[in-house]
Amino acid sequence: KNEVEQSPQNLTAQEGEFITINCSYSVGISALHWLQQHPGGGIVSLFMLSSGKKKHGRLIATINIQEKHSSLHITASHPRDSAVYICAARRPARQLTFGSGTQLTVLP
Amino acid sequence: DVKVTQSSRYLVKRTGEKVFLECVQDMDHENMFWYRQDPGLGLRLIYFSYDVKMKEKGDIPEGYSVSREKKERFSLILESASTNQTSMYLCASRGASELQPQHFGDGTRLSIL
Repeated sequence: KNEVEQSPQNLTAQEGEFITINCSYSVGISALHWLQQHPGGGIVSLFMLSSGKKKHGRLIATINIQEKHSSLHITASHPRDSAVYICAARRPARQLTFGSGTQLTVLP
Repeated sequence: DVKVTQSSRYLVKRTGEKVFLECVQDMDHENMFWYRQDPGLGLRLIYFSYDVKMKEKGDIPEGYSVSREKKERFSLILESASTNQTSMYLCASRGASELQPQHFGDGTRLSIL
C-alpha cells in the first residue's frame, strides 16, 4: 500500500463546477503539500499545510490530522484549471512522499 | 522568482551511453533534488543534496549518480543508460528550511533506445 493515496485518478468536470480531490496518507506527517503540474511538465507548489485550511483565490486546501486526510477544492472551475494535481506528505526528518496524481480536465 | 533550469526538455540516447542531466537554480538554495516521474507511480526521489559536494540516496538510486560541485548546479548521471530509465526527470530546489516549498524545473523527457 502506498503511503500517500489520491482519489480520483481522473476527473472530468464542466466549467463552473465545484471540484474536490482527496488525499489520504498512512503515516504521521509534519506537513502536506499540494502541487499542480501543467501539460509540458512544470510543477508549481500550491499549498503547504499542517493543520486547518488554506485558501488562495479559487483554491482551498483542508487537512484533518486525526483522519490522515486532506482535500483540495476548486470553486467555479475553469478550463485553465486542467492539470495534474499532486499531494505530497512530509514525514519528520524525511523527504517528501508523493501521491500518483489526479488528472483534472475541465470542459468549457 | 525562483528559476530552476534543466538543460534539455527532450533527450534521446542509446542503451549503454553515459547520460548527463543538468540542473541550475538561481536562488542560492541549499537543497536540490532529482526525481523521476512515471505514469501511475508519481514522483520518486533518486538523489538529493543538502550542500556542495554532499549527497544522499533517495528511494531509487540504483543506476544513477549525482554531482554537486557548485551550489547552483546539480547533475544527474546515468552511468550506463538502460531502457527502463526512460522517464520524465524533474529537478527541484529548496531553501534551508523544510517549511519552504520546493521549486521545480520544467522536466527532461528522456528516452533510452
